[in-house]
Formats: sequence, C-alpha cells, structure tokens
Amino acid sequence: AQKVTQAQTEISVVEKEDVTLDCVYETRDTTYYLFWYKQPPSGELVFLIRRNSFDEQNEISGRYSWNFQKSTSSFNFTITASQVVDSAVYFCALKERTGNQFYFGTGTSLTVIP
Amino acid sequence: SAVISQKPSRDICQRGTSLTIQCQVDSQVTMMFWYRQQPGQSLTLIATANQGSEATYESGFVIDKFPISRPNLTFSTLTVSNMSPEDSSIYLCSVEVGPSDEKLFFGSGTQLSVL
Repeated sequence: AQKVTQAQTEISVVEKEDVTLDCVYETRDTTYYLFWYKQPPSGELVFLIRRNSFDEQNEISGRYSWNFQKSTSSFNFTITASQVVDSAVYFCALKERTGNQFYFGTGTSLTVIP
Repeated sequence: SAVISQKPSRDICQRGTSLTIQCQVDSQVTMMFWYRQQPGQSLTLIATANQGSEATYESGFVIDKFPISRPNLTFSTLTVSNMSPEDSSIYLCSVEVGPSDEKLFFGSGTQLSVL
C-alpha cells in the first residue's frame, strides 16, 4: 500500500494565486516525520520542511505554510501569492521511527503561469 | 545540514556499458542512500550504503546490477552495470542528518540517458 499519496499530479495556477498541494500519509507508528521537498527543473531535491508527529502546530515560512492534521493523516502545503520560480515538482515524504527508509509520494508538478 | 557533491551531473551512455557515479559529503555520515527517479516518477530507494559493510539493497535491486562502494564516512559510489535504455533515470545520492534532527539531504543528481 502507498504510504504517501499525492493525489494531484499536475496543477497550474496564474501568478499571485494561492495554491495548496495535498499530501495524505499512512503509518502505524506513533512517532514519525513528514517532509516536503521541492525539485525545480534543474533536478536537485531541495528540503523545505520537516514535522514531527507529536508537533501539530502549523508552520509558516514566508509565502509557504504547512497544515498538519493527524486526525485526517494529512500534511498539506500552501504557497501564497505564487511566483513563476515556484514552478517545480513537489514531493511529500514520510519517515517512520522504525526503519531507515523515507517514503516519497509521486509528486505534484506545479506550474505557475506569468 | 550537509553539502553533497555528486558527479557526473549527466551522461549519455551506450547500451551494455557501465557508469560509476560518485558522491562526496562534506561531513562524516553513517549511512548514505542511493535513489533512482525514473522519468516522471517518484523516488525509489535502491540501497543503503554503510561504511565497512555490504550495502543493503531494496527489493528489485541487486548488487550485480548496482554495485556500491563505501570506502569511508564521506564517500560512496554507485555503478550502473550493463546498462540498457530502461536504466535511463536520475540517480540521487542522499544522506540523513539525525537522529535528533532527521532530514534527508540530496546531491544534485546524475541524469543518465542510455542509448
């Protein structure tokens, strides 16, 4: 079974619009870590954020914000006032406390149209 | 954080040949990970490389096809052997910074095209 699901394959928005990227995860561990990574056209994976399972406080970093809801097993990512430079593939990932593996979703390709 | 240098950044290879990808980290790390990202796909873990022991391969990946070296705590290589067009992918080296601050950092990747 897929541990991380990103149902949105591709999203296009016009510059300055807000956009939310969805991520749903599945785990039986009580302690786990959630991540978002950005992969611009250059190919390098850039770390954006890490959340612990015991910290449900939402986080804001500039135009980026993350909404962690354990009740729905979701860890959604919102970009406010999107810019062309936000165009990339975004991956959500899960790491369980037991084991070393990171489980990645299939990614959401975001295109911001000027 | 960790700075990871990976090379080559891209290569075009002929069927049947082998390519060795190098990964250098700016700090000592216990485990290094090799991922594959096929075109338009997510990341798939190939193997975990521990210094001083054999690499641990995930289901579907074997040492004969993807031999890995880990001679010290800052360096690893992945070889893609006897390549076929199906091996065309991005190969990514990564390290985990933890355990108290677990994050996975990635190299810039190697874009491999097999003709």
